[in-house]
Amino acid sequence: GDSVTQMEGPVTLSEEAFLTINCTYTATGYPSLFWYVQYPGEGLQLLLKATKADDKGSNKGFEATYRKETTSFHLEKGSVQVSDSAVYFCALSESSGNQFYFGTGTSLTVIP
Amino acid sequence: GAGVSQSPRYKVAKRGQDVALRCDPISGHVSLFWYQQALGQGPEFLTYFQNEAQLDKSGLPSDRFFAERPEGSVSTLKIQRTQQEDSAVYLCASSLVDSATYEQYFGPGTRLTVT
Repeated sequence: GDSVTQMEGPVTLSEEAFLTINCTYTATGYPSLFWYVQYPGEGLQLLLKATKADDKGSNKGFEATYRKETTSFHLEKGSVQVSDSAVYFCALSESSGNQFYFGTGTSLTVIP
Repeated sequence: GAGVSQSPRYKVAKRGQDVALRCDPISGHVSLFWYQQALGQGPEFLTYFQNEAQLDKSGLPSDRFFAERPEGSVSTLKIQRTQQEDSAVYLCASSLVDSATYEQYFGPGTRLTVT
């Protein structure tokens, strides 16, 4: 079945450091891929998405590229800020269905 | 405009009690989803509605779980005879169109604790 595997946390970085959170997926069809973020005390929010291979999603300085050959959708940001501290979830959905499959989440703490 | 709202935000139930969790989606959103999120885990799909039709309930863990959306807007997730393993955050999400490639807007969740 479909699934998402993302790197375990927690991750602690200093401000302005480079961030990578790894995400790989297993899917039977041609999924869309998403990163959701959950800030402390808030609900899940869409951060970025990509709907086909080689697409790059980007938002708020975060980027992720849909790599079909490696079944990956790694999240990157060149210079993190304290305000980026949150839990990040990788997710996929099949174009033929309506289910979303989420990873277990990666907690990021950015220290000044 | 208003986002997805859920009530109650917190619910404590004694084992064996029935609970009802409410979700108010964004007005006009066709699709509505329920998820269960255990501590330290990602959300897991429970069920999906397109308007008032429940098109997928494959994620409901047992027949004690029941969801409805009778008029195609507000939805209720009911859990009968709650068990300790039902303790989790229950998330509701809605989407404007009936496609999983579109953004889902999540509510703040209801944290259910079964004692």
